[in-house]
Amino acid sequence: DVKVTQSSRYLVKRTGEKVFLECVQDMDHENMFWYRQDPGLGLRLIYFSYDVKMKEKGDIPEGYSVSREKKERFSLILESASTNQTSMYLCASSLAWAGELFFGEGSRLTVL
Amino acid sequence: ELKVEQNPLFLSMQEGKNYTIYCNYSTTSDRLYWYRQDPGKSLESLFVLLSNGAVKQEGRLMASLDTKARLSTLHITAAVHDLSATYFCAVDRRSNNNDMRFGAGTRLTVKP
Repeated sequence: DVKVTQSSRYLVKRTGEKVFLECVQDMDHENMFWYRQDPGLGLRLIYFSYDVKMKEKGDIPEGYSVSREKKERFSLILESASTNQTSMYLCASSLAWAGELFFGEGSRLTVL
Repeated sequence: ELKVEQNPLFLSMQEGKNYTIYCNYSTTSDRLYWYRQDPGKSLESLFVLLSNGAVKQEGRLMASLDTKARLSTLHITAAVHDLSATYFCAVDRRSNNNDMRFGAGTRLTVKP
């Protein structure tokens, strides 16, 4: 089974803090994704990566950056957290570019 | 721009009843996914629908795709409490337009 592991299930941070969300997948997938999930809005794509050191903006990249130094690891960075970034963050991976997504269990971030 | 509309957003039903969740989308697609999410858990893939007229069934759930109408349905037969979850459709156009969008989700509650 594909396993996508997100390092922190719950985080509470203060406005202005730098936040790192880590995601690791164990199936050698090329493609990795970060989504944000908010009630009534479904999932919105923040960034994705189709190869090591490659990244592309999704629909809502503002206020976020990403890092992919190794194939299995994709990090989401909030340089200066704000209250409107309080949300559930979901990492996903897929083998092929247009393949099925496998999701991690999510990281619920609260920014005070 | 690809838009995905899912309805209803909330569904409360009695055990043993049938119901259908609808997923409408605005442009052509490569494929369509249905995912299930239990509270506090990740998204789990249920079905992948690849072509017009595709129908897939797993237990009490059956998904279908009509690409001409740009509509997918998820039909629930004789609902049981274990089906209580949030269901998302996702429309995949990544081969054409680098785009994959999720519906807002349908929160299903099955009452005894």
